[in-house]
Amino acid sequence: DVKVTQSSRYLVKRTGEKVFLECVQDMDHENMFWYRQDPGLGLRLIYFSYDVKMKEKGDIPEGYSVSREKKERFSLILESASTNQTSMYLCASTRRAGGTGNTIYFGEGSWLTVV
Amino acid sequence: AQSVTQLDSHVSVSEGTPVLLRCNYSSSYSPSLFWYVQHPNKGLQLLLKYTSAATLVKGINGFEAEFKKSETSFHLTKPSAHMSDAAEYFCVVSTGFKTIFGAGTRLFVKA
Repeated sequence: DVKVTQSSRYLVKRTGEKVFLECVQDMDHENMFWYRQDPGLGLRLIYFSYDVKMKEKGDIPEGYSVSREKKERFSLILESASTNQTSMYLCASTRRAGGTGNTIYFGEGSWLTVV
Repeated sequence: AQSVTQLDSHVSVSEGTPVLLRCNYSSSYSPSLFWYVQHPNKGLQLLLKYTSAATLVKGINGFEAEFKKSETSFHLTKPSAHMSDAAEYFCVVSTGFKTIFGAGTRLFVKA
């Protein structure tokens, strides 16, 4: 059974803290993604990575950074958390080969509250 | 340019009646189209996908969708709703690396 695992499901952090959200996939996928999901705004792409140590900005990268040191692991970093980063964060992965039509597999999500 | 529009933000049906969730898209290239479902506090799960094969696509849990190029639509249907179908549904269009999610349709199922 394919799996994308987000290790932290629920977090509460203080404003200004550094926050790490970890994601691991066991499907040997090349592409990995971080989205945030907010009511009324749907899913918005923060960053994606198509290979180890490679990253590309998505639609809303401000205030975030990412790290991909190993193929299976993609981390989202909030350098200095702010209250407007309170959201649900979803990690996803796909195969690269063929591009179009590849199923996107999602993790269960990480609920982050910044107080 | 790509876009996807889910025409209803909320749909309410009675258990046992048909479900119709509407999705229109635009794409400069031949897209792949998906429907995903999200239950409360869960990630997104693939229901079905269209990738230029048969235009009528069958998915899990009795859902199906028909790709209509002339109408640029990919509506999701199910003949008979079940209480467990209550969730949020996302229509997705993808060409290569660019993937666009619709805003979602929340399906309510009344007993």
